[in-house]
Amino acid sequence: ETGVTQSPTHLIKTRGQQVTLRCSSQSGHNTVSWYQQALGQGPQFIFQYYREEENGRGNFPPRFSGLQFPNYSSELNVNALELDDSALYLCASSARRGTYEQYFGPGTRLTVT
Amino acid sequence: AQSVTQLGSHVSVSEGALVLLRCNYSSSVPPYLFWYVQYPNQGLQLLLKYTSAATLVKGINGFEAEFKKSETSFHLTKPSAHMSDAAEYFCAVSLGNTGFQKLVFGTGTRLLVSP
Repeated sequence: ETGVTQSPTHLIKTRGQQVTLRCSSQSGHNTVSWYQQALGQGPQFIFQYYREEENGRGNFPPRFSGLQFPNYSSELNVNALELDDSALYLCASSARRGTYEQYFGPGTRLTVT
Repeated sequence: AQSVTQLGSHVSVSEGALVLLRCNYSSSVPPYLFWYVQYPNQGLQLLLKYTSAATLVKGINGFEAEFKKSETSFHLTKPSAHMSDAAEYFCAVSLGNTGFQKLVFGTGTRLLVSP
């Protein structure tokens, strides 16, 4: 059974640029959630995708957007990067929407300069 | 709003000593509660979960937690700390409904283990 994988591991971008982060869900899981973890903080929920549609969203601006593909993999896109977007971005997959068990990937460390 | 509060951003123990990491929740209904561990530069690993079955929950690596409704607490314990337990620990509650669940995390407690 393959766990949740994320790419890239690390990324450095300049303020104002756009970035795409990728996540492959655990085998058999159809729901993907994204979390932002700023340095020294707990993860904050960004949004969740289920069967290619957004299934819930946290308190993040519209420049944070996502996609889910037919194979349940997902992308997180951030436009107009700001310095405060520097964080560890975590992807988590679930076997179905509405279940509380989420399995996390290793994360992507984004640094905005 | 439902949330969790972790008391103590840092906890230091000696190897072999008892580990106690505190978590209190605020909820009007029985919650689903979790403890996750995060090692440096890694993602989150589930240690254990409470889902309204047994109030004493055993997890991986010798950790356990007790759900106490009267105290709205879900503290994490381990009888004897090991050097490899040094990490960041997060308490979390799952919020939502039958069609959607998200995790709300506490601010984390860093466990330091000295020889």
